[in-house]
Amino acid sequence: KNEVEQSPQNLTAQEGEFITINCSYSVGISALHWLQQHPGGGIVSLFMLSSGKKKHGRLIATINIQEKHSSLHITASHPRDSAVYICAVRDYGGATNKLIFGTGTLLAVQP
Amino acid sequence: NAGVMQNPRHLVRRRGQEARLRCSPMKGHSHVYWYRQLPEEGLKFMVYLQKENIIDESGMPKERFSAEFPKEGPSILRIQQVVRGDSAAYFCASHDRGLFSTDTQYFGPGTRLTVL
Repeated sequence: KNEVEQSPQNLTAQEGEFITINCSYSVGISALHWLQQHPGGGIVSLFMLSSGKKKHGRLIATINIQEKHSSLHITASHPRDSAVYICAVRDYGGATNKLIFGTGTLLAVQP
Repeated sequence: NAGVMQNPRHLVRRRGQEARLRCSPMKGHSHVYWYRQLPEEGLKFMVYLQKENIIDESGMPKERFSAEFPKEGPSILRIQQVVRGDSAAYFCASHDRGLFSTDTQYFGPGTRLTVL
């Protein structure tokens, strides 16, 4: 079983829909990241969370440390949001800050 | 302030050749991570380096792979005698571990290695 699980693996939405991507993890963490990767492209860090909720534009990320669960929400989705969204956790207590990644959620937003 | 730079962006090698991947961290960052993304798989940690030091190489294959981050110049990930299974996207990330660091890792655009 992977230490970081994401769901769904694939998601197709119509433009304007509210989207939720979920991430569950089984290890102790010091922080959780949400990353965005466009096909064939680089990786952009969207959020880093250790508690609560963060909002940036149409994106909202929440984390529940007790339940070891995080969600990424996209409001009023747009075709340009189409990308792979990756959840990654930072190993707790590790001096290295290395990240453990989920396998990603491929989002396609259709016009 | 330029972001993390990686070159080349695409690299083609024949089996048995050497591949050298370069990563220049963001200005002021002295910590570099290398991650590998195999086709149809998630990203996996390979190695964590500070200037002139390897801090954690627990994700590096035991043979053929090495990494360095010299005092001057970019970090280098070196793969000797490449095999088809080395074909992947290799990402570098950097961050600052100073007193006011956010610990956010900034990713480069990646190098896509194809082994023929």
